[in-house]
Amino acid sequence: DSGVTQTPKHLITATGQRVTLRCSPRSGDLSVYWYQQSLDQGLQFLIQYYNGEERAKGNILERFSAQQFPDLHSELNLSSLELGDSALYFCASSPAGAAYNEQFFGPGTRLTVL
Amino acid sequence: GENVEQHPSTLSVQEGDSAVIKCTYSDSASNYFPWYKQELGKGPQLIIDIRSNVGEKKDQRIAVTLNKTAKHFSLHITETQPEDSAVYFCAASVYYGGSQGNLIFGKGTKLSVKP
Repeated sequence: DSGVTQTPKHLITATGQRVTLRCSPRSGDLSVYWYQQSLDQGLQFLIQYYNGEERAKGNILERFSAQQFPDLHSELNLSSLELGDSALYFCASSPAGAAYNEQFFGPGTRLTVL
Repeated sequence: GENVEQHPSTLSVQEGDSAVIKCTYSDSASNYFPWYKQELGKGPQLIIDIRSNVGEKKDQRIAVTLNKTAKHFSLHITETQPEDSAVYFCAASVYYGGSQGNLIFGKGTKLSVKP
């Protein structure tokens, strides 16, 4: 158990809908990262937050957005969902002031878009 | 930007044999190279990492080597056991002073250890 929690574990929804995925980092970690894992694309970095502020963006679609709250939990919002958005979504956290990018992953949310 | 290639995509070994997974990276500024193990239905788990100022690191049955000149790094698992069966991912990132870079992952290697 990495100490990172994600809810829900599974999510089934329809095309065009909007969903919110939630992540709580390990105690004391200030950075949260979101990744998408699909069979053909592997693990793709989406976005990073550090202590409430956006730090870096990867291959995140404009239909997707995220935020990190004062209590350091983070939410990933996915809107106008398409079939191709079906994937595993992971969040990871890393320690404050870490010299290198040690990231600890949560168990993931499996999103199925029908 | 950084690109990480990982080989092989699948690897099958007999219990007790060794397994080697290789990765190459493109950005010579990359200085942190973690390896993750992902079991079915779970998130990736950090199993070992190496930093660019070190050529080799061991932790019990697993070891990682880094060749900065050739820009490649490898994971070695000795005395494999059935519980080592999983998908393994390599990754690379660049740390700039005061700012952590993002992890770029390889496509993964599915390791099967036959009893």
